[in-house]
Amino acid sequence: QVQLVQSGAEVKKPGASVKVSCKASGYTFTSYGISWVREAPGQGLEWMGWINAYNGNTDYAQNLQGRVTMTTDTSTTTAYMELRSLTSDDTAVYYCARFRVWGYYMDVWGKGTTVTVSS
Amino acid sequence: DIVMTQSPLSLPVTPGESASISCRSSQSLLYSNGYNYLHWYLQKPGQSPQFLIYLGSNRASGVPDRFSGSGSGTDFTLKISRVEAEDVGTYYCMQGLQTPLTFGGGTKVEIK
Repeated sequence: QVQLVQSGAEVKKPGASVKVSCKASGYTFTSYGISWVREAPGQGLEWMGWINAYNGNTDYAQNLQGRVTMTTDTSTTTAYMELRSLTSDDTAVYYCARFRVWGYYMDVWGKGTTVTVSS
Repeated sequence: DIVMTQSPLSLPVTPGESASISCRSSQSLLYSNGYNYLHWYLQKPGQSPQFLIYLGSNRASGVPDRFSGSGSGTDFTLKISRVEAEDVGTYYCMQGLQTPLTFGGGTKVEIK
């Protein structure tokens, strides 16, 4: 079955970077994209961007431009999201999700990775 | 950016009754191909979001037929007929017409 398995929880200090992984299985990795969405405590869902797993093209949310990098490794069918210059506002659960380019929606989600930014 | 507005914020429901959630967008989500780029998700307590409805009215695989989506342009509705206890959680609409993709603020459905 289609599955996205994310890396474990992280605790980082302000100013540090975090890199979250998302291992995909059960489908042809390069036929879809991977999108990243985060959920801060008590807040709703915020789309961060997506990467085309076929050609590596990316589209990031404007408010994260310059701090976020999304990549994929097709040999291991794994997607990565790196976020730099962390502040307490980046404390959130980070989800990866399979992204359907036709329709622009996410149909399968990972279980989430908690990232806590604290001094 | 397209702003998505949901109502109500909270929706207490009695099992067996129906429930409706409204979602409005700041601009039309109807594309030239005739599809409305509006999708629905349910986030159950302590879980990641799950996919319910795509392109306005199409149920995702495995979604019970008591869930239905309707609407066009800027006004959309998710209806749950015969609510069950397992339907509790926060429902989100999301527009897929253009990036950045944007979500509504969520509607929390709880059992009375």
